[in-house]
Parts: sequence; structure tokens; C-alpha cells
Amino acid sequence: DTGVSQDPRHKITKRGQNVTFRCDPISEHNRLYWYRQTLGQGPEFLTYFQNEAQLEKSRLLSDRFSAERPKGSFSTLEIQRTEQGDSAMYLCASSLAGNPGGSPYEQYFGPGTRLTVT
Amino acid sequence: AQSVTQLDSQVPVFEEAPVELRCNYSSSVSVYLFWYVQYPNQGLQLLLKYLSGSTLVESINGFEAEFNKSQTSFHLRKPSVHISDTAEYFCAVTRVSGGKLIFGQGTELSVKP
Repeated sequence: DTGVSQDPRHKITKRGQNVTFRCDPISEHNRLYWYRQTLGQGPEFLTYFQNEAQLEKSRLLSDRFSAERPKGSFSTLEIQRTEQGDSAMYLCASSLAGNPGGSPYEQYFGPGTRLTVT
Repeated sequence: AQSVTQLDSQVPVFEEAPVELRCNYSSSVSVYLFWYVQYPNQGLQLLLKYLSGSTLVESINGFEAEFNKSQTSFHLRKPSVHISDTAEYFCAVTRVSGGKLIFGQGTELSVKP
């Protein structure tokens, strides 16, 4: 069990560019979550998947944001036409729901991708 | 909807002193409660959780939290802190039906020698 991994760890981009982040959950976990954390604040929920299905999206997730989990394993989060306000740490978490011994409530977090928009 | 309020943004304390980090929540439905810890330059780690049963829950490193339904609180305590406890602590809730976590703003615990 290698834990949740995220790539890249840091991304600096210019305003207006598109960026894509990747998250690999713990291998047997079927739920995958995306959160955003700005300086001095707690993480804010963006969206989550159970297998391939996107079950909930936050109103924070504007039309410029899109997330996918095409095969129910890794996920990508894309931000189009980045703005300075998008600068934040993007966190991914995973959990196991529905299986014996699994707890959908225990979310395991990755190290995050820090995005800086200049 | 759920919300979480952490009443102290920063808590400075001397080593070996007791500490309490306060957390209040608001929800119209039943929730489960969590404390996460974020050490400098590291990811979020689950510290402890309340799902059901005893309202007093403990972590392996000496922290404890008590779920108080009437006061809608889930305060975190430790009787004697160490330098290594210096970190940001986040209180969070989720609906019993599962899904997203709602986090508080965080409390920065700074333990001084």
C-alpha cells in the first residue's frame, strides 16, 4: 500500500493557461475526492467519484474546472484558462466504500499539488 | 448543510502543558466527526474519529476528543504536549450517509520549549 499519490507536486503557470493534475488513489479504494486548500483555510470540497461515476460537485467547481476518473482508478483535475484566484493546494483523497471492512468515512489524503498562477 | 467552526486560529503552549483545541459544528442531519493533523510540509493525516459508541475517542499519540451532541462540540485535548505536536489541526464532519468532508478553518498549535 503506497498511499495516495499526486503529480505534479508543484505547478507554476501563467494566467490563461490550462493545467492538469493527476491523482492515484490507494489501489483498492473505490472513492476518490478532490479538495482545494488556500493559505490559512481548511480544505474545501470540490468533487468526488465512486468508481467512474462523479457523484457530487461543489458549486465552487466552475465551468473552467473538470474532473474525470475514466477507468475508476486514477483521476485528473483540469483547470482551463487559469486565474490568479486558482492559486491553491489541490488535495486528493481516497476511501473504500461498500466492501466488508471498508470505511467510506476514512479518507486518506495525498501530499497535494501546489498551483501558483502568475 | 453542515458547517464547522474552530474557535482558535492559533494556540501557543509550552511543552508538557495541557492543551484544548475547540471545535463546534452545525448540522441538520446526523454526522460523524474527525480530527486531522497536518505537520509542516506534509499531507493531512487522520488523527481520530467519532462514528458511534463511546463519546470519548483516543488517538495512539495521547490526544483525545469528546463528542458532545447537546453542545454540538468535538474538542480535542492532550494532557501534556510535546514539541513534535506542533502542527495544524483540522476538525471535520461528514454526513452519516457518507461523502464529502466539511472542514473547519484549522488551528495552528505551536509548542514551545
